[in-house]
Amino acid sequence: EPEVTQTPSHQVTQMGQEVILRCVPISNHLYFYWYRQILGQKVEFLVSFYNNEISEKSEIFDDQFSVERPDGSNFTLKIRSTKLEDSAMYFCASSEGGLGAYGYTFGSGTRLTVV
Amino acid sequence: EDQVTQSPEALRLQEGESSSLNCSYTVSGLRGLFWYRQDPGKGPEFLFTLYSAGEEKEKERLKATLTKKESFLHITAPKPEDSATYLCAVQAAGTYKYIFGTGTRLKVLA
Repeated sequence: EPEVTQTPSHQVTQMGQEVILRCVPISNHLYFYWYRQILGQKVEFLVSFYNNEISEKSEIFDDQFSVERPDGSNFTLKIRSTKLEDSAMYFCASSEGGLGAYGYTFGSGTRLTVV
Repeated sequence: EDQVTQSPEALRLQEGESSSLNCSYTVSGLRGLFWYRQDPGKGPEFLFTLYSAGEEKEKERLKATLTKKESFLHITAPKPEDSATYLCAVQAAGTYKYIFGTGTRLKVLA
């Protein structure tokens, strides 16, 4: 069964450093997403991406965050200057259509720890 | 403000003991309601999409129903492998983003 692959599975970084989280969505999917889950809290929407541009973003997704699809397979989330409160599990997801009639396929996540 | 509330927060069942999980929502025009299962350390796994009140979906021991204010996930004769966190999410009209609830942690004892 097709999977969304995320790397690394765990990243520890110092406050103020830049991090790039990587994702390989399912090959025939057109919509891509990043969500995050702070320990013990809800899964929260960050950004959606379609046709090589951001289609929607949340208030969390400020100027410190950016997304990119540098080639036909990878989808990345960059945090320019990490803060302690950025510590969370970051999930990448993809879907065939935006409505998600068949749901999104989520990756297993990258656990980001900012120290 | 669009909101999703799930109850109970945690549920322990004996194997074979059927029960229901609740998802109450407030949204400005429902585009879809989704149920996901999440195992520890993993991403959510899609279960069902429901679009309109009265709709029902079934998969093995799980059945999801939808009204205008809430959705139920019924678990019939659960097995230990059904132990997981069950997440409810809604999409509001005009957006593709999910708004998730906090989930129900289900533990099924053998």
